[in-house]
Amino acid sequence: EPEVTQTPSHQVTQMGQEVILRCVPISNHLYFYWYRQILGQKVEFLVSFYNNEISEKSEIFDDQFSVERPDGSNFTLKIRSTKLEDSAMYFCASSEERLRNTEAFFGQGTRLTVV
Amino acid sequence: AQTVTQSQPEMSVQEAETVTLSCTYDTSESDYYLFWYKQPPSRQMILVIRQEAYKQQNATENRFSVNFQKAAKSFSLKISDSQLGDAAMYFCAYRRFADSGYALNFGKGTSLLVTP
Repeated sequence: EPEVTQTPSHQVTQMGQEVILRCVPISNHLYFYWYRQILGQKVEFLVSFYNNEISEKSEIFDDQFSVERPDGSNFTLKIRSTKLEDSAMYFCASSEERLRNTEAFFGQGTRLTVV
Repeated sequence: AQTVTQSQPEMSVQEAETVTLSCTYDTSESDYYLFWYKQPPSRQMILVIRQEAYKQQNATENRFSVNFQKAAKSFSLKISDSQLGDAAMYFCAYRRFADSGYALNFGKGTSLLVTP
């Protein structure tokens, strides 16, 4: 069964450093998303991406964040200068389309620890 | 902004019994979608069941069913014949009926413990 793959599973970085979280969405999907979950809290939407541009983003997704689809398979989330409060589980998701109740498939997440 | 409330941080059920997880939401829209996601210890979010607000019939997927009360803005999940593998965090989520993006708005989750 096709699945969304995220790497690495766990990343530790020093405050102020840049990190790139990587995702390989399901191959025929066209819509891509990033969510994050701070430990013990709810899952929060960050951004959605379609046709090489952001289609929607939340207040959390400020100038420190960027997304990119550098090639035909990868979808990345970059945090330019990490803060302690960026420590969270980051989930990538993809869907065939955005309309109606199409299911978004989630990856297993990358745990980011900022020290 | 739409808010999703799960008032039960933890629930416990015995194997083979039935349990109901509560979810309420706040919205001014008439068309939208509701979902229940399961997050086992592996942390991956797995879709359990979905409901379109314009459908009056409650969704059912095998042992999982919902009680959707649109006027009350309530969307509870019933798990019948509970199994040990059902133990997980369960998140209720709302998605507006719109063309832009796919922003799921999640509740804080309910941790379900299944005891033998």
